Formats: sequence, structure tokens, C-alpha cells
Amino acid sequence: DTAVSQTPKYLVTQMGNDKSIKCEQNLGHDTMYWYKQDSKKFLKIMFSYNNKELIINETVPNRFSPKSPDKAHLNLHINSLELGDSAVYFCASSRSGVTYTEAFFGQGTRLTVV
Amino acid sequence: GESVGLHLPTLSVQEGDNSIINCAYSNSASDYFIWYKQESGKGPQFIIDIRSNMDKRQGQRVTVLLNKTVKHLSLQIAATQPGDSAVYFCAEKGGSGGGADGLTFGKGTHLIIQP
Repeated sequence: DTAVSQTPKYLVTQMGNDKSIKCEQNLGHDTMYWYKQDSKKFLKIMFSYNNKELIINETVPNRFSPKSPDKAHLNLHINSLELGDSAVYFCASSRSGVTYTEAFFGQGTRLTVV
Repeated sequence: GESVGLHLPTLSVQEGDNSIINCAYSNSASDYFIWYKQESGKGPQFIIDIRSNMDKRQGQRVTVLLNKTVKHLSLQIAATQPGDSAVYFCAEKGGSGGGADGLTFGKGTHLIIQP
């Protein structure tokens, strides 16, 4: 049973296109996240979201937008893709209202913009 | 910039030896720390965590040490095995409470286990 699953695992697309990455968790968590991992393996949070609020990292371009149809899903939409968007994107989830709890990560989506 | 960093980008140890991976953090308000392991092509996987009211925590073959005075965190892996080869990240969480707080990650250390 996969706790946090993302699709697709690989995504190759041209500049200027719009694409989405889907994420689902079956852990019953209330909070979900998107992280970006660059070519140097550095992981940085993009968004955190629960059923009450969306917290956006101020460095994330507004071409990126999370969409949550329900608390088990948090999809990432990216408009007008740029070369610099190439990275691995990780979805994660955790229990809300609990400080001392780890986040569970998906397998990642490797996005390549050409 | 990052509030959590690692001293060594790559660490190579002989199989069976112990390894120590270090991490420095700058946010004195951080009260929860986690070590993650990331194998090639996979997402980060939880190894062990520690709260700021502790200075040591042990798991199976792993020990995390926290020194709040110098804002330093370390992960000790005993009797390393080939399966320990991965990138290791420390991550911290601030003291603002639970909910939508994300984790701040360090840069990662690539641990290589030599046969």
C-alpha cells in the first residue's frame, strides 16, 4: 500500500506548456505539501495546505498553484513552464495540529522542461 | 537562505564501520528535528526524530544527538551496510505549533558505503 503517491513519475514537456502533477495520500492526514528538489538535491518547501489554509512560500512564482479537490489530494498545476522549472517535485503529508510529527513523502515527479 | 545546513557533501566509509553525519541549524526557535534518508529515485524516508527537550535519541543502529548550545545535530549510523548508501538530510521545524508548518531541509550528505 502506497501511503503518498504521485503521478506521473516522469514528465517531459516543452517551454510554455501547462502541466499538472497529481498527489494522493491514504494516511488520513489533514496537511499536504509540495516540495521542490533542485539538481543539487536541495529540498525546499513550496506550499503547505490543510482544509483551513494555504501557506505559500514567497519565492514560488504564481505560475504554480496547488489545487485540493478533497483532503486526500493535492495537485500541482504549473502554467507557462520555464526551463528553470526542471526539478524533482515531491508531495508530502502529515498530521495537522501536531508539531512533533514527521512528513511522509511520495516518490517524486521528475519534471524536465525542454 | 537555508536555516539548516550540512558540513560535508559526501562521506565515504567502509562497510561495517560507524558513520557520523553532521548538521548545523540557525533557527534557535526550532524545536523538532528529523533525519531523512533518500535513496536514488525515491522520496525522502523518515529515519529518526528528536525534540528540542532531548539531547539524544536512539533507534535501530541509528542515534541522533542534539546540541542546542551550538545548534548542531548529528546522525550516527552503526555498523554500516551497503543499503545505507543514500543521501541523508536533516530537517527542522519551527516552534510555532502544528498545522501547516513545513520542514526546512539542509543540503544533504551523500553517504557512500565501500565494500
